[in-house]
Amino acid sequence: RKEVEQDPGPFNVPEGATVAFNCTYSNSASQSFFWYRQDCRKEPKLLMSVYSSGNEDGRFTAQLNRASQYISLLIRDSKLSDSATYLCVANTGGGGNKLTFGTGTQLKVEL
Amino acid sequence: SQTIHQWPATLVQPVGSPLSLECTVEGTSNPNLYWYRQAAGRGLQLLFYSVGIGQISSEVPQNLSASRPQDRQFILSSKKLLLSDSGFYLCAWARVGTDTQYFGPGTRLTVL
Repeated sequence: RKEVEQDPGPFNVPEGATVAFNCTYSNSASQSFFWYRQDCRKEPKLLMSVYSSGNEDGRFTAQLNRASQYISLLIRDSKLSDSATYLCVANTGGGGNKLTFGTGTQLKVEL
Repeated sequence: SQTIHQWPATLVQPVGSPLSLECTVEGTSNPNLYWYRQAAGRGLQLLFYSVGIGQISSEVPQNLSASRPQDRQFILSSKKLLLSDSGFYLCAWARVGTDTQYFGPGTRLTVL
């Protein structure tokens, strides 16, 4: 089983739609989680950190369910510029504060 | 503010040739530094990390090596490249004691 699993998509949604991505993690000791956004052929950029039950930043909401080892990202009022790959990330602990990345969920927002 | 630089941006190398990729961070001291590789259509794989000068931890055995000769400089090397070394190489930094990582622009390596 992969340490961090995501539905690869693509999710094709119309502009203005609400879309949700799910992610599961296998290491119950993980304490912190992140969502990164990666545009084609670019570096990942931090979208949101999740340390407790959730976090909200404008149109983006992340929720964490530790009992089910599940993280979600909700994007409201999707914009064309939201088209990207969204990476779910878990801190795997140990020395160096290492992170484990999911393979990403691709979002395409269309007119 | 902190910035992270990587060079070169793009590299095409023949099989068996050496490799040296450089990463530097500005605006912070004693960062944790990380090298990742992202193969086409795949996730990020952690290759090495460093918590200080001269301190390197290897995550995946391979023909690559890393060095940290200065506090804010991280170098990825290989003596002989393989075809399977092709990929997008990303350097990241994090403030010591934190786990939020920030990525450089990456180096796209093609081994022919």
